[in-house]
Amino acid sequence: TQLLEQSPQFLSIQEGENLTVYCNSSSVFSSLQWYRQEPGEGPVLLVTVVTGGEVKKLKRLTFQFGDARKDSSLHITAAQTGDTGLYLCAGAQGTYKYIFGTGTRLKVLA
Amino acid sequence: NAGVTQTPKFQVLKTGQSMTLQCAQDMNHEYMSWYRQDPGMGLRLIHYSVGAGITDQGEVPNGYNVSRSTTEDFPLRLLSAAPSQTSVYFCASSRQGGGGELFFGEGSRLTVL
Repeated sequence: TQLLEQSPQFLSIQEGENLTVYCNSSSVFSSLQWYRQEPGEGPVLLVTVVTGGEVKKLKRLTFQFGDARKDSSLHITAAQTGDTGLYLCAGAQGTYKYIFGTGTRLKVLA
Repeated sequence: NAGVTQTPKFQVLKTGQSMTLQCAQDMNHEYMSWYRQDPGMGLRLIHYSVGAGITDQGEVPNGYNVSRSTTEDFPLRLLSAAPSQTSVYFCASSRQGGGGELFFGEGSRLTVL
């Protein structure tokens, strides 16, 4: 059973456009992370959000954790070709389990 | 600056064969874990360990075995390979569990015929 659903599954946009990726669950997580994965490599951490309602910004990327700590979103402003990759959310369950989302594959076209 | 090292990168097995995927980290992390990645399913946790001598099951443990005799190493054993175990396997470590940053290896692509 997949506890974290991401949408959309695939996204192809032009450079300069904005986009939002969603990560939803019926479970509560103590924290939520977003990772980006390039082909042939392992995922790399972008951000960790811990508090319900928390918003974090990393340059053109804005991450939000839902008030109830069950969902999160990633918003990219003015996408660049370098943003292309697989975006994964991951929720921490209990002390030691990380549950990953289904993934959103983003392609940014020049 | 090795981080998390996985071997082999590619492996082809026949149904019923056994093999071990190796994972080593040089960051003195207590937490280590194994995931499998299949199209459209993200990463699914197979087994994890919170320190030497301590292991526990994740979401999809059947058909896999692990042990943790040292802090550095966390091998994953396939006891009798099945085509359903064809996947890309990732090892990850963290200084702490539950919210700590996961550092991943580059993955091991396994094909079971």
